[in-house]
Amino acid sequence: NAGVMQNPRHLVRRRGQEARLRCSPVKGHSHVYWYRQLPEEGLKFMVYLQKENIIDESGMPKERFSAEFPKEGPSILRIQQVVRGDSAAYFCASSPPDRESYEQYFGPGTRLTVT
Amino acid sequence: LAKTTQPISMDSYEGQEVNITCSHNNIATNDYITWYQQFPSQGPRFIIQGYKTKVTNEVASLFIPADRKSSTLSLPRVSLSDTAVYYCLVGDNDYKLSFGAGTTVTVRA
Repeated sequence: NAGVMQNPRHLVRRRGQEARLRCSPVKGHSHVYWYRQLPEEGLKFMVYLQKENIIDESGMPKERFSAEFPKEGPSILRIQQVVRGDSAAYFCASSPPDRESYEQYFGPGTRLTVT
Repeated sequence: LAKTTQPISMDSYEGQEVNITCSHNNIATNDYITWYQQFPSQGPRFIIQGYKTKVTNEVASLFIPADRKSSTLSLPRVSLSDTAVYYCLVGDNDYKLSFGAGTTVTVRA
């Protein structure tokens, strides 16, 4: 079984550019979560999605950030007009619909560097 | 969310038992205690969860005293590959996992 896949693993963007981070959940998992980890800090929840629905985006900045999980294809976390403070590791996690949501399966992360 | 406090780092040697204690004085009645492990350049991995007394699986044991204000993750006979950051999470099984700084465990030969 393939785990959660994230790509790219490393992404470098200049200030003002857009960053697109992709996440393919474990096969059969319909719940996707995005987290951000700043240097020397723990992971912070950003958004929770199910297929075609945003369930909870309370942890996501209201401007420049958006997320989607379409019916077909991976989940996308999009950051517009990136700034240096967006530099971080972004982790995607998934869980199946019939299991407790505290046990999430994490991907390897995408490390975003804004220059 | 209940605040958790755990040591910043711990050193150990191969074959020893490692015990990491997490304090959570404000734990609520509905809260569970969950531990995750994170290797460098990887995402966290669920290890174990408990509510009270003792829970054991193939990876670790979790000891929770009656007052539930603390908990101890026990890793038996660690190896070099157990070097990682260990996170203690306390919550009511909400999907919004909240990770603190964790405990960096370094296992030496």
